[in-house]
Amino acid sequence: DTAVSQTPKYLVTQMGNDKSIKCEQNLGHDTMYWYKQDSKKFLKIMFSYNNKELIINETVPNRFSPKSPDKAHLNLHINSLELGDSAVYFCASSQVKITAENTEAFFGQGTRLTVV
Amino acid sequence: ELKVEQNPLFLSMQEGKNYTIYCNYSTTSDRLYWYRQDPGKSLESLFVLLSNGAVKQEGRLMASLDTKARLSTLHITAAVHDLSATYFCAVDKADSNYQLIWGAGTKLIIKP
Repeated sequence: DTAVSQTPKYLVTQMGNDKSIKCEQNLGHDTMYWYKQDSKKFLKIMFSYNNKELIINETVPNRFSPKSPDKAHLNLHINSLELGDSAVYFCASSQVKITAENTEAFFGQGTRLTVV
Repeated sequence: ELKVEQNPLFLSMQEGKNYTIYCNYSTTSDRLYWYRQDPGKSLESLFVLLSNGAVKQEGRLMASLDTKARLSTLHITAAVHDLSATYFCAVDKADSNYQLIWGAGTKLIIKP
């Protein structure tokens, strides 16, 4: 049973389009994340939600908007896509309560976004 | 600001050799994680190190943590081709956000 699942796995779209990536976790974690991995494999955190509340919002164009309908879901909507948005986007989840033993993150399979 | 540095960033080695990947971080943290990423795949958790002196082993990989030196090592013993991957370390920022700060990754190629 998949712990963190994101869809779609591949997304090819034209510049200027709006697209969404969905993520769901069944681990009961309280925190979910979106990461961007560029062609050099560098991982950059974009957003983090804890119990549906935005807690990390790194310097990301406001064309990117996360939505968390409940603590098991964190979707990423991207408006007016640009060539530079092409990357692999990973969803992840972890438990970050102060009493948690660790904050190990579990990752989804990734969404390879190609903007043409 | 917490920074995490891995070295080397790229390593090509022969099967059967031993090698170590290093992960240095700049401020106090008690929790460090190692992940593996195969080409085109997701990140898979390898080791969770939660205290000073922690050592974990899985097969040919062994990870250790020295919180005083702010250093973790990932040691590969008698490398085999299947261990070829990119290895990331990440450090728990240990503030209210518990954000993981990531190293740049070490791309490991093991030649048969």
